[in-house]
Amino acid sequence: AQTVTQSQPEMSVQEAETVTLSCTYDTSESNYYLFWYKQPPSRQMILVIRQEAYKQQNATENRFSVNFQKAAKSFSLKISDSQLGDTAMYFCAFIPNNNDMRFGAGTRLTVKP
Amino acid sequence: EPEVTQTPSHQVTQMGQEVILRCVPISNHLYFYWYRQILGQKVEFLVSFYNNEISEKSEIFDDQFSVERPDGSNFTLKIRSTKLEDSAMYFCASSEGIRTGYGYTFGSGTRLTVV
Repeated sequence: AQTVTQSQPEMSVQEAETVTLSCTYDTSESNYYLFWYKQPPSRQMILVIRQEAYKQQNATENRFSVNFQKAAKSFSLKISDSQLGDTAMYFCAFIPNNNDMRFGAGTRLTVKP
Repeated sequence: EPEVTQTPSHQVTQMGQEVILRCVPISNHLYFYWYRQILGQKVEFLVSFYNNEISEKSEIFDDQFSVERPDGSNFTLKIRSTKLEDSAMYFCASSEGIRTGYGYTFGSGTRLTVV
């Protein structure tokens, strides 16, 4: 089975600090795609960042960056200079080569003032 | 920026009734999806749709569910004989290509409450 695991149900961080959310996945595929989605209280699913498995360079989008460790099947999200608006559920998601997108269970992040 | 539009935003239905959830995917996208999120739980894949037929479906997507693209713009999810456990957020999504690195664009969801 191709699965996504987020081991941190809840996390909190002080405003302006840095936080890292963990994600691991399981696949036998060599090429696939990884994503982090943000779900604020409005329930909208918003794409934060994406990574293609064949690219070694870690993706970065402004304050958001990933640490992609292909051999370890790890895909963590780092949020720098956390802002109150970053408070949300964060879902790690995965598109293996022959399936549709699958999500982890989510991490609820609270940014404290 | 193009959006995926879902209607209604919230629907309340009696147990045993049929509901149709509607979605308008992004116009140049060819692949469409439905996902479900029971409150506070993970986002679960239901079905993907391409070229007027189902590409893949999960074990959740049983005979109670059906999808349709009735015209060139809408993509619907029908749930027959709703049960209490069908209460959830239902998300529609679309993508340009299948299983692509661009990810999926999601709508704002329809909150279905079965009473």
